[in-house]
This record gives sequence, C-alpha cells and structure tokens, in this order.
Amino acid sequence: AQSVSQHNHHVILSEAASLELGCNYSYGGTVNLFWYVQYPGQHLQLLLKYFSGDPLVKGIKGFEAEFIKSKFSFNLRKPSVQWSDTAEYFCAVNTGGFKTIFGAGTRLFVKA
Amino acid sequence: SQTIHQWPATLVQPVGSPLSLECTVEGTSNPNLYWYRQAAGRGLQLLFYSVGIGQISSEVPQNLSASRPQDRQFILSSKKLLLSDSGFYLCAIGHSGNTIYFGEGSWLTVV
Repeated sequence: AQSVSQHNHHVILSEAASLELGCNYSYGGTVNLFWYVQYPGQHLQLLLKYFSGDPLVKGIKGFEAEFIKSKFSFNLRKPSVQWSDTAEYFCAVNTGGFKTIFGAGTRLFVKA
Repeated sequence: SQTIHQWPATLVQPVGSPLSLECTVEGTSNPNLYWYRQAAGRGLQLLFYSVGIGQISSEVPQNLSASRPQDRQFILSSKKLLLSDSGFYLCAIGHSGNTIYFGEGSWLTVV
C-alpha cells in the first residue's frame, strides 16, 4: 500500500534560518504531490502541489518543494523562515485514483 | 468559489450514543467528497470517500459509516460511539489532480 513518511515530527528554528522538511513516499508509478499547512487555529490549506513538468515547484509565502523521482522524495524548503511560519506541515500523495494519502505531519516552531 | 460547511464544530458525546456530523459544499457540482480524521502525531487518516450520490468507499473498518444523500451533502455517522472515536474530523472536497480542500473540521470528544 502507498505510504508517506515525514521524517521530522518537530522542528524548532530561529527566524531567518533555512527550512527543509523531508517527505518520502512509497509508490513506483506516477504521483501527484502536495504540501499542506495548518496554522494555529486555522484549517488545513494547500501550500503547493506538483503534477508534472518542472520538478521544482513554488508555492505561497515563499515556499518551494523539489520532486526527486529517483529518491521518491518531495522535500519542502524555505530559505528564510519567519515567526508566522509556525504551523504544522503535511505532505500528501495521490497515485491517480480518488485517494490522497497524508504523512503524519511536522510541527514547526519558529522562535522570534 | 467553493465553500465547505461542517457542523457541529464541537461535540461532546457519551460512550454508546449515536453520532451525526454533516458536511455540505457550495459552489461546485458532482464533487468527490472525503472524510478524514486527524490525530496528533498520526497525520490525516482517510476514512471514507464518495464519487457520487449513494456511492461510499470505506478505507478503514471501524465504528463509523458515511452516507451521501445529495450531491453536495456528506454525513458521517455512528450508531454507538467508542472512546477511541474521539478526534478531529475533516470533510474535504477533491478536484482536478485530486487537490484536496478541507473544511474547518469538527472536534468530537467521547466521554
């Protein structure tokens, strides 16, 4: 069965530090990939998505993610985090059907 | 634009009581609809999805059921709640490429 692994459950960074959150999936075929974010007290919202084309995807608020097919990875990055980036981040994979599978999430805390 | 309404937002129910969480969507037709449960440290667990009226697929055998009586209505139910049913339940809608958009969720506490 398909699965999604997020390696870091909790990450603490200082403002202006660079961020990289890992995401790996297990599926050998074509995938659609997503990152979602849940800010404190808010509902889950889409950060960025990859369907095809350029494997480097840019999303909202300065986030980007790179799809590396050979590594089955879709890591999320931001060069300089802000306090307002404190949130929980979820990686998700869809393998072409109706099901989208989510990782366990990574809680990011940015110190001001 | 589409909107997703979930209610109630918060619910406290005794063990053994029934459950009904409702979700309605606006601004779209014939959507794929989903129920997810979010648990701390476990991400989002897909419970049910529906591609049309009366069509329900269950992902996890458990104490819950789902129904879709209308195109834009999706209901999560239980006849007898268990303590383990406590959690944050999210209704979601799927679009092209199966981008999922979530409602604001319903907190269920079973006591």
